[in-house]
Amino acid sequence: GAVVSQHPSRVICKSGTSVKIECRSLDFQATTMFWYRQFPKQSLMLMATSNEGSKATYEQGVEKDKFLINHASLTLSTLTVTSAHPEDSSFYICSGRAGATDTQYFGPGTRLTVL
Amino acid sequence: QKEVEQNSGPLSVPEGAIASLNCTYSDRVSQSFFWYRQYSGKSPELIMSIYSNGDKEDGRFTAQLNKASQYVSLLIRDSQPSDSATYLCAVIKAAGNKLTFGGGTRVLVKP
Repeated sequence: GAVVSQHPSRVICKSGTSVKIECRSLDFQATTMFWYRQFPKQSLMLMATSNEGSKATYEQGVEKDKFLINHASLTLSTLTVTSAHPEDSSFYICSGRAGATDTQYFGPGTRLTVL
Repeated sequence: QKEVEQNSGPLSVPEGAIASLNCTYSDRVSQSFFWYRQYSGKSPELIMSIYSNGDKEDGRFTAQLNKASQYVSLLIRDSQPSDSATYLCAVIKAAGNKLTFGGGTRVLVKP
């Protein structure tokens, strides 16, 4: 299957700081990338969908000014958590989808801890 | 009613046995169906996709789809302790649309 990487894999930050997470498709062009969040013992929650070169579409209840998403190229999307607070601590996972297919390939995830 | 429903488990199976996982979905126009495996603390990994009614086999895994009954299942043959994980059923309603996940079924394979 296709490979998606995420960086960093783990980050600890102080409350009020901003954190940027990178998501890269390594061997395919991801026309669409998705960002998910997963809390312990819960299923994945879709945060937003981004198409290359377009503004992201956020799910209901997700603050677009807090979770900034950029999808500037077909292989890179970034999620910036601005002014992070302890309640933002979670497992953030991206996925990429190539143009004509429905299949999403997930990155390894980034575990964010906000102190 | 949840859009995609799974029994949360845990489903406990002895090593070497067949594990049978079920998933039902509410939207009749759903087109694409996926099974993902997620180990604790890790991200989901794709096991297989299925689009047409019937069975689809890939190694020890068989997915079964019945659109009339709005039901998709996954069979794991010759279960191994390494198969112990949470299995996520996911559905796409229309081409290019987003995945909707079930809550997952936790499987425990006991040696």
